[in-house]
Amino acid sequence: AQSVAQPEDQVNVAEGNPLTVKCTYSVSGNPYLFWYVQYPNRGLQFLLKYITGDNLVKGSYGFEAEFNKSQTSFHLKKPSALVSDSALYFCAVRDLRNTPLVFGKGTRLSVIA
Amino acid sequence: EAGVAQSPRYKIIEKRQSVAFWCNPISGHATLYWYQQILGQGPKLLIQFQNNGVVDDSQLPKDRFSAERLKGVDSTLKIQPAKLEDSAVYLCASSESLGRPGGGYTFGSGTRLTVV
Repeated sequence: AQSVAQPEDQVNVAEGNPLTVKCTYSVSGNPYLFWYVQYPNRGLQFLLKYITGDNLVKGSYGFEAEFNKSQTSFHLKKPSALVSDSALYFCAVRDLRNTPLVFGKGTRLSVIA
Repeated sequence: EAGVAQSPRYKIIEKRQSVAFWCNPISGHATLYWYQQILGQGPKLLIQFQNNGVVDDSQLPKDRFSAERLKGVDSTLKIQPAKLEDSAVYLCASSESLGRPGGGYTFGSGTRLTVV
C-alpha cells in the first residue's frame, strides 16, 4: 500500500529565504508524485507533479520539487519565499495501477516578513 | 472551465442527525472522489466513482455513510446518523479518467461539517 510521510508539522522561514518542505513516500513500483497547497477555507490546489523524466519538476508560483528515487523523496522547494506562500502543503502519491491519491498529513508553512 | 462545485460550504448538526453533501464535478470528468479531511490530518479517501459505478469504497464507514452518483455526473454523500468524530471537511475531487494515472485532481472548496 502507498504511503506518504511529511516529517515536519510546521516550517518557518523568513521572507526572501529559500524554503524546503520535505516528503518521503512508499509505493510499489514507479510512483506518481504530487504537491498540493491549501489556503484557509479553500480546497486543495495543484502545484506540480512528477510522472517521469527530469528529476527536477517546476510548478506554479515559482515552486519546484526534486524527485530522488534512491531516497524515496520528493521535497518541495522555492528559492525565495513570499509571505503569500504561507499555507498548508500536502504531498501525495499514487502508483501505476491508478489507485487513488494518498496524502501526507500536511506541513504548515509560515513565511515571516 | 468551471471548477468542482460543492454545497453547502458549512453545516452544523447535532449528533445522531443526518446530513447530505452535494458535488458537481468538472464537465466531462469521469472519475469522482470524496475525501474526508479531519483537522490536522491529510485528506483520506472515502469513495471513488468511475462514471456511476463505485471503484473503491473500502474506507467508507458503510454503517453510517452512503454515497451515490446516479447519472454519472453529480454526487451526494450522506451521513446518518452523525457522530462527533465525523466533524471534518468533506472534499470532492474529479479527474478525467482512471486511464490517466498521471493526471491530477481538481478539488472543490469543501464542506466543513461540525457535529455538536
